Amino acid sequence: QVQLVQSGAEVKKPGASVKVSCKASGYTFTSYDINWVRQATGQGLEWMGWMNPNSGNTGFAQKFQGRVTMTRSTSISTAYMELSSLTSEDTAVYYCAREPLGIGIQEFDYWGQGTQVTVSP
Amino acid sequence: QSALTQPASVSGSPGQSIAISCTGTSSDVGGYNYVSWYQQHPGKAPKLMIYGVSNRPSGVSNRFSGSKSGDTASLTISGLQAEDEADYYCSSYTSSSTLVFGGGTKLTVL
Repeated sequence: QVQLVQSGAEVKKPGASVKVSCKASGYTFTSYDINWVRQATGQGLEWMGWMNPNSGNTGFAQKFQGRVTMTRSTSISTAYMELSSLTSEDTAVYYCAREPLGIGIQEFDYWGQGTQVTVSP
Repeated sequence: QSALTQPASVSGSPGQSIAISCTGTSSDVGGYNYVSWYQQHPGKAPKLMIYGVSNRPSGVSNRFSGSKSGDTASLTISGLQAEDEADYYCSSYTSSSTLVFGGGTKLTVL
C-alpha cells in the first residue's frame, strides 16, 4: 500500500534551518510529484511547492522563493524539504503529498502524517 | 495569490444535504478543471474527496459530489452523517503555475 512517512518533530531557534524528510513506499517514487503543504495551528492549508523526483525539477509559491529547497534521494525513495531563516511564523505542521504527473498541479492523493516544526527562542 | 473564498462554517442535520462553495477567479477556479476538495478531521492529514472538479477517488462515498460554474466550485454532501463533521478545503491550479487553497470550511453535523 502507498505510504508517505515523514520525519519526527523539530524545535528550532529563529534564524535556523529545518530539513524534513518524506519516505515513500508502495509505488514507484519517480512516477509521481511530491508537494509540500503546511498548516499553522488552527489555520488553513498553505501550499509551498512541488518537486519531480525523476528530474529534480521544482516549483515554489512566491512566498517561499529563496528560502525553501526541495531535493530527493531516489535510491531510498525519499524527498526532502528544507526551509531556512526560520521565524515564529514558520511554526506549523508540514505535510508531504503525492501528486500524479501531468500538466499543472492536480490532486494530492496520498499524504504523509505531518511533521510539527516549532520555532522558539 | 489570494486564497480561494470559502464560507467559514456550514451546518446540517443528519440525512440532509449541504453545499460548500469555493470562489476564485478566471486565473484559477474559472480557468482550469483542476479543482480538488479535501476533508480533514482534527489532528489528521487531509484526505482527497474530489479531484478534477467532479471526480471521486476510489473508496470515497458517492454521497460526495463536486461541480463548477464559472469562477465558483461547489462540494455537495448528501445524506449527512456524523462522521462527515470535519474541515473541508478546496484547491485549484493557477495561471502562475502554482496551487492555491481555500481558507477552509468547518462542517458541523447538528
